[in-house]
Amino acid sequence: TQLLEQSPQFLSIQEGENLTVYCNSSSVFSSLQWYRQEPGEGPVLLVTVVTGGEVKKLKRLTFQFGDARKDSSLHITAAQPGDTGLYLCAGTSGSRLTFGEGTQLTVNP
Amino acid sequence: NAGVTQTPKFRILKIGQSMTLQCAQDMNHNYMYWYRQDPGMGLKLIYYSVGAGITDKGEVPNGYNVSRSTTEDFPLRLELAAPSQTSVYFCASSLFRGAYEQYFGPGTRLTVT
Repeated sequence: TQLLEQSPQFLSIQEGENLTVYCNSSSVFSSLQWYRQEPGEGPVLLVTVVTGGEVKKLKRLTFQFGDARKDSSLHITAAQPGDTGLYLCAGTSGSRLTFGEGTQLTVNP
Repeated sequence: NAGVTQTPKFRILKIGQSMTLQCAQDMNHNYMYWYRQDPGMGLKLIYYSVGAGITDKGEVPNGYNVSRSTTEDFPLRLELAAPSQTSVYFCASSLFRGAYEQYFGPGTRLTVT
């Protein structure tokens, strides 16, 4: 069974602060996705990283895939209350996604 | 396009009762998935389908059944509900396998008492 561990599990910060969320595994994934989920809704894809070492930016969010394709990070610059939500990483293997347990982020105004 | 739709949104079942969670997508996606999400946890794959007539087990299939008679629909059946099946259930679909976006429905919140 492939496992993805996310850290931290919970994060509460003030508006304007920077933060990094980590997603680690002992397994190699062909790609890794980051989703964001708001209360009462299903997850929505933010980004997919495919190549080891790849860095993708989405406005204030920066995603990195580890060189060995076993880990990933999500960095948010100058967090805003609208960034509040559950952030899930998911590793791709064949037809399936394996999800991490998520990081619940709260950004206080 | 409605995307992925799920019904019902909420349901309370008594132990031993049965029910079917409905899922439909109008994007002509081949791949469809059922996940459950417990509080403070990520999503666990219950069953998935790679096309009409083809289904396969995921990580946590016990207590559930699925069918895929059409491309659009992928219902999930609970035969004898147990308290351990209290969870939020999400249906998802994707066009291709692998590193392609999965589109999720809004979820069904099920409580078994």
